[in-house]
Amino acid sequence: AQKVTQAQTEISVVEKEDVTLDCVYETRDTTYYLFWYKQPPSGELVFLIRRNSFDEQNEISGRYSWNFQKSTSSFNFTITASQVVDSAVYFCALSRPSGTYKYIFGTGTRLKVLA
Amino acid sequence: DAGVTQSPTHLIKTRGQQVTLRCSPKSGHDTVSWYQQALGQGPQFIFQYYEEEERQRGNFPDRFSGHQFPNYSSELNVNALLLGDSALYLCASSLWGQGVGYTFGSGTRLTVV
Repeated sequence: AQKVTQAQTEISVVEKEDVTLDCVYETRDTTYYLFWYKQPPSGELVFLIRRNSFDEQNEISGRYSWNFQKSTSSFNFTITASQVVDSAVYFCALSRPSGTYKYIFGTGTRLKVLA
Repeated sequence: DAGVTQSPTHLIKTRGQQVTLRCSPKSGHDTVSWYQQALGQGPQFIFQYYEEEERQRGNFPDRFSGHQFPNYSSELNVNALLLGDSALYLCASSLWGQGVGYTFGSGTRLTVV
């Protein structure tokens, strides 16, 4: 069975602090995709990153970075120098390698960035 | 280029009633998936349509049904509404078989009273 665990329900930080959102996954598949999505109050899920299980290279995109560790089944997301606009719910998701296979989402982490 | 469009935005229904939610996929996409997101939870997969057929289904009762039209748009129908059906219903579109992620709509907020 596939499962995604986001143990942090809510995190509050002060603007400009760094923050890491944890994601732990379970799957028996040897090939899979991992994703991070941002959900602002409007409700739309905004795509942030997709990671193939074969690619363990960490990725940086501006203030965002992702740490994928297959050995611990984790795919953590760090925001550097957080801003108020980063306040949202963040979801980690898992999928089989088909581009149209269903996603298994975690329960999300609500991030509040205080000015 | 329009993204995924869902209607209505909000809806209030009474227990036992039936509801239909609508989704227009992103231009160029041919596959539509529906997710239910209860308050404080992550989205849960309901089902997926491609070529007007249900291709995958999650763990949802038969009260949940769907349809896809020749223009790729889709409807989600829920019969005999329960209070527990109150949720944000998200539609996601994609291109069948391609290694790209879904594009999500902003959802329909359904409240069952």
